[in-house]
Amino acid sequence: EVQLVESGGVLVQPGRSMKLSCAASGFTFSSFPMAWVRQAPTKGLEWVATISTSGGSTYYRDSVKGRFTISRDNAKSTLYLQMDSLRSEDTATYYCLNYGGRWWGQGVMVTVSS
Amino acid sequence: DIQMTQSPSSMSVSLGDTVTITCRASQDVGIYVNWFQQKPGKSPRRMIYRATNLADGVPSRFSGSRSGSDYSLTISSLESEDVADYHCLQYDEYPTFGAGTKLELK
Repeated sequence: EVQLVESGGVLVQPGRSMKLSCAASGFTFSSFPMAWVRQAPTKGLEWVATISTSGGSTYYRDSVKGRFTISRDNAKSTLYLQMDSLRSEDTATYYCLNYGGRWWGQGVMVTVSS
Repeated sequence: DIQMTQSPSSMSVSLGDTVTITCRASQDVGIYVNWFQQKPGKSPRRMIYRATNLADGVPSRFSGSRSGSDYSLTISSLESEDVADYHCLQYDEYPTFGAGTKLELK
């Protein structure tokens, strides 16, 4: 059974940093491009970042470029999202998923507030 | 960026209805459109992939179609468990979602 389990969400002050993790199991993690998607309360889905199988290629939406870093550790089957200089508009549930969305994690809530 | 214009934003439906939701792509995205169902407090679930393919375990009353730059999700004979939010996604290049469609029972 495929599982994607996110962790790391919490309340954080504006301007601070947070790192999300996503532990994958049940599939060959290293063979799949992965991504993060977020959803602000009562809003639609928003693509945040993508990473290639090797980690050598990444993509970010404009609003997080230079602040967020997606990475992966294929040996640990884990995906990461380092979020720096957080803003109130980053408040959302963050989902880990494979590129294309066949598999999704349960989501982790990130609240940016003073 | 490629825009996915999804309509309608909400829809009042009855059990047994046939429901169609459409996304229009601002540029050519080929077959790279997926549809997702999302229920309150839950993660999205892939329903249709590559525009017309039914995902594993999805009832056959769901179908996807494409006409040019218009992509549609159709639910035939709507059941109560189908009442949810639906999202389209283009992933041809830089992925973008439609704004979502909320189905509500009359």
